[in-house]
Amino acid sequence: DVKVTQSSRYLVKRTGEKVFLECVQDMDHENMFWYRQDPGLGLRLIYFSYDVKMKEKGDIPEGYSVSREKKERFSLILESASTNQTSMYLCASSPQQGLSNQPQHFGDGTRLSIL
Amino acid sequence: GQQLNQSPQSMFIQEGEDVSMNCTSSSIFNTWLWYKQDPGEGPVLLIALYKAGELTSNGRLTAQFGITRKDSFLNISASIPSDVGIYFCAGFTTGANSKLTFGKGITLSVRP
Repeated sequence: DVKVTQSSRYLVKRTGEKVFLECVQDMDHENMFWYRQDPGLGLRLIYFSYDVKMKEKGDIPEGYSVSREKKERFSLILESASTNQTSMYLCASSPQQGLSNQPQHFGDGTRLSIL
Repeated sequence: GQQLNQSPQSMFIQEGEDVSMNCTSSSIFNTWLWYKQDPGEGPVLLIALYKAGELTSNGRLTAQFGITRKDSFLNISASIPSDVGIYFCAGFTTGANSKLTFGKGITLSVRP
């Protein structure tokens, strides 16, 4: 079974802090993704990566950056957290390089609150 | 961009009933996926469909890839309380570098 592990289930941070969300997958997948999920808006893609040190902007990258130094780990960084970044953050991975039609497998999510 | 439409937002059924959910689009998709998300958890893949007309089952769940390639449905038979959750459809359109598009999900409630 694919295992995608997000480092925190719940996180509370203050406005202006730099926040790191970590995600690790154990299936040697090439592709990794970060989404945020908000009521009424569904899942929105923030950033994705299909190889180590590669990153691509998703639909809502503003205010975020990512890091992929190792194949199994994909980090999401909130450079200066703001209250509108309070959300559920979901990490996902899928096999094969590039954006082929392989299903993505999700972690359990990090519920982030910015005060 | 591509959109996947799921409605209604919420469904309420009695335990033991069957329920069917649709997912539609104006675009053609070459892969359909159905996910379930339990409260406080991440989405879990239920069924993947890769060919038009394909009908696939996973226990009490059955999903079909529409012939027009613009829709898919998920059927849950003999519902039980643990079927409660949010059901998302997702899909890849044709062409290289197609991104996964998600529906907004349907929240299913099952009355015991």
